[in-house]
Amino acid sequence: NAGVMQNPRHLVRRRGQEARLRCSPMKGHSHVYWYRQLPEEGLKFMVYLQKENIIDESGMPKERFSAEFPKEGPSILRIQQVVRGDSAAYFCASSPEKGTEAFFGQGTRLTVV
Amino acid sequence: EDQVTQSPEALRLQEGESSSLNCSYTVSGLRGLFWYRQDPGKGPEFLFTLYSAGEEKEKERLKATLTKKESFLHITAPKPEDSATYLCAVQAPQGGKLIFGQGTELSVKP
Repeated sequence: NAGVMQNPRHLVRRRGQEARLRCSPMKGHSHVYWYRQLPEEGLKFMVYLQKENIIDESGMPKERFSAEFPKEGPSILRIQQVVRGDSAAYFCASSPEKGTEAFFGQGTRLTVV
Repeated sequence: EDQVTQSPEALRLQEGESSSLNCSYTVSGLRGLFWYRQDPGKGPEFLFTLYSAGEEKEKERLKATLTKKESFLHITAPKPEDSATYLCAVQAPQGGKLIFGQGTELSVKP
């Protein structure tokens, strides 16, 4: 049973470009969460999704960031017009049900140059 | 505001020297408290979930306990491979998102 798969593992973007981060949850998991870890900071919640629905986006920046979890395919976190401050590790987690333990992927490390 | 504070920030132990990590939390109705381990460059690895005060869980050299205001992660006779950052997180009543502490960076020297 494969774990949570994130790709790419490393992503370099120039300022102003778009970044797309993908996450495939564990088999049987329909709940997906995105977290951001800035250098020397803790993990911060961004968004919680179920298939085709955004449940909680209270941690998402108001502009440039969006997330989706379509009926088919992986969850996508999209960052438009990236800035240097977006450089961070972005982690995806999944759980079988709301409130149960979440399992994390290995993360995507975004570097904005 | 829901908050999680972990102490100490960093802990250096000699192999075999037992100790405890602390996680204090403030949340309006705890749904669950989670412990994770994170190695450099990796994603957090799930260790334990605790749901109610008085609950305890064990895994190898690790034991997690929970009270109404804090949780402890006890490490008995640690080995160098236990070196990692240990993260504590709480889940609010509505479920879903986890609120993480800053972590305790544990280093175990042989």
